[in-house]
Amino acid sequence: DSGVTQTPKHLITATGQRVTLRCSPRSGDLSVYWYQQSLDQGLQFLIQYYNGEERAKGNILERFSAQQFPDLHSELNLSSLELGDSALYFCASGGRADNEQFFGPGTRLTVL
Amino acid sequence: TQLLEQSPQFLSIQEGENLTVYCNSSSVFSSLQWYRQEPGEGPVLLVTVVTGGEVKKLKRLTFQFGDARKDSSLHITAAQPGDTGLYLCAGADAGTEKDNRKLIWGLGTSLAVNP
Repeated sequence: DSGVTQTPKHLITATGQRVTLRCSPRSGDLSVYWYQQSLDQGLQFLIQYYNGEERAKGNILERFSAQQFPDLHSELNLSSLELGDSALYFCASGGRADNEQFFGPGTRLTVL
Repeated sequence: TQLLEQSPQFLSIQEGENLTVYCNSSSVFSSLQWYRQEPGEGPVLLVTVVTGGEVKKLKRLTFQFGDARKDSSLHITAAQPGDTGLYLCAGADAGTEKDNRKLIWGLGTSLAVNP
């Protein structure tokens, strides 16, 4: 158990809809990272928050947004969903030595 | 664009065999991490190597960081079915902010160990 929690575990929705994924980092970690993983693309970095502020942006679409709250949990909002958004979405926390990241169990999103 | 190339992409071996997987780049990393991921689960950190030439052992797994800190290898001795999974390497970009280095991820080596 990494200490990182993600909800929900599975999400099935329709095209055009909006969903919110939730992540709670390990106790003491200030950074939260969001990743998308699909079979053909590997692990794609989306965005990082550090202590409530956006720290780095990766390949995140404009339809996607995220935020980190004062209690350090984070939410990833995905809107106007398309079939191609179906993937595993992982949250990782870190911010300590050697840039190590600790991953949650992921949310499997299926867009029908 | 910085890349971390992992090879081989796929590997299927019999229980008891030895194997080595590689992680190569033209970029210098301040540290490099290896993760193992099982289907449907999140990657799990195995080890972090920091010093050029460093060798770390974790039971039957041996990790080596290249002298120039541009490449790394993972050697598994006497592989077991429980070693099956996707092995990912991630390098911390030495050119980015020290306490918040960008991680560059490889695409992984998918290992299947057959009983």
